[in-house]
Amino acid sequence: DVKVTQSSRYLVKRTGEKVFLECVQDMDHENMFWYRQDPGLGLRLIYFSYDVKMKEKGDIPEGYSVSREKKERFSLILESASTNQTSMYLCASTTPGFGNQPQHFGDGTRLSIL
Amino acid sequence: GESVGLHLPTLSVQEGDNSIINCAYSNSASDYFIWYKQESGKGPQFIIDIRSNMDKRQGQRVTVLLNKTVKHLSLQIAATQPGDSAVYFCAENRGKAAGNKLTFGGGTRVLVKP
Repeated sequence: DVKVTQSSRYLVKRTGEKVFLECVQDMDHENMFWYRQDPGLGLRLIYFSYDVKMKEKGDIPEGYSVSREKKERFSLILESASTNQTSMYLCASTTPGFGNQPQHFGDGTRLSIL
Repeated sequence: GESVGLHLPTLSVQEGDNSIINCAYSNSASDYFIWYKQESGKGPQFIIDIRSNMDKRQGQRVTVLLNKTVKHLSLQIAATQPGDSAVYFCAENRGKAAGNKLTFGGGTRVLVKP
């Protein structure tokens, strides 16, 4: 089974802090994704990466950046955290064949910005 | 655990009955569809997928139906069990022109009554 692991289940940070969310997958997947999930808004794509050191903006990239230095690891960075970034963050990965393979998700990081 | 959606449509089902969850999509170019199950405190879990060249696909106790004419997708769960209580999401691949990104539906909460 695919295993996508997010390093923290719960995280509390302060406004203005730089925040790192880490995600690791163990299936040698090329493609990795970061989403946020908010009540009433569903899952929204922040950034994705289809290879090491490659990244593409999703639908809501503002206020975020990402890093993909190794194939198995995809990091989401909040450069200067704000309260409107309080959310559930979900990482996902998939095999090449991108559009026709399911994405597999981690269990999420619930981030609170105070 | 905290709910993933405060205003989700809810389907209440008697244990042992069949469940039908519906999803409408808007993009006629979408060529691949996925159903996910999300339990409280966990990430979305892949259930079943279907490509646009198919009308029906069956898995273990689940069936997905695709009606491209009316852009409608449904998930049928046979003999619903208490462990099926969760939020169910459909996702559509937007197609190659849109970078093969997924768009997620808002979700339906299924409550199984004993």
